[in-house]
Amino acid sequence: EVQLVESGGGLVHPGGSLRLSCAASGLTFSGYWMNWVRQAPGKGLEWVATISSDGSQKYYVDSVKGRFTFSRDNTKNSLYLQMNSLRAEDTAVYYCARETRRRLDWWGQGTLVTVSS
Amino acid sequence: DIVMTQSPDSLAVSLGERATINCKSSQSVLDNSNNKNYLIWYQQKPGQPPKVLISWASSRESGVPDRFSGSGSGTDFTLTISSLQAEDVAVYYCQQYYGSPPWTFGQGTKVEIK
Repeated sequence: EVQLVESGGGLVHPGGSLRLSCAASGLTFSGYWMNWVRQAPGKGLEWVATISSDGSQKYYVDSVKGRFTFSRDNTKNSLYLQMNSLRAEDTAVYYCARETRRRLDWWGQGTLVTVSS
Repeated sequence: DIVMTQSPDSLAVSLGERATINCKSSQSVLDNSNNKNYLIWYQQKPGQPPKVLISWASSRESGVPDRFSGSGSGTDFTLTISSLQAEDVAVYYCQQYYGSPPWTFGQGTKVEIK
């Protein structure tokens, strides 16, 4: 069975940095595009970033461009989201999700990022 | 960017009754080259990640009960729960996957039991 396990969330001050990880198992990881989606407390879903199967293509929502960097290591079946210059509005549960046939068909349980002084 | 707008924001339906959720996109998500609508419906229960219910606007995912159905094309879409069950209490989101990112979601519709 596919498993996606996020880690690295926590409390960080505004302007600080955090690196999220997502460990994947039960799938041929290198064959899939992957995504980060976030959900602020009590709010809806917001797509954050997408990375191609080989890591050569990356796309970001405008609000994180220049601050967040999405990467992957296919030898370790892992994704990474480096988040810099964090703002209060970045506070959310961050989910990693597998993309198959233009849908997010498998999601992790999420990791909570709280940006607060 | 394509803006997705759902209506209503919430609805309360009696058990066994029909629930209808609408989703409108600010531009067409229909690819005329393959006649596919790049519109996905997700269900999110409290404390859980979202789950795909419907892809290509009307294709039910494996294992999803047939009381869930999707319809629509172009810019207007509908998710219907034909006979609401207690386990269907959740927030439902539409998402467009047309062209290139950003892949935008609707704001969500909360379904409750009346």
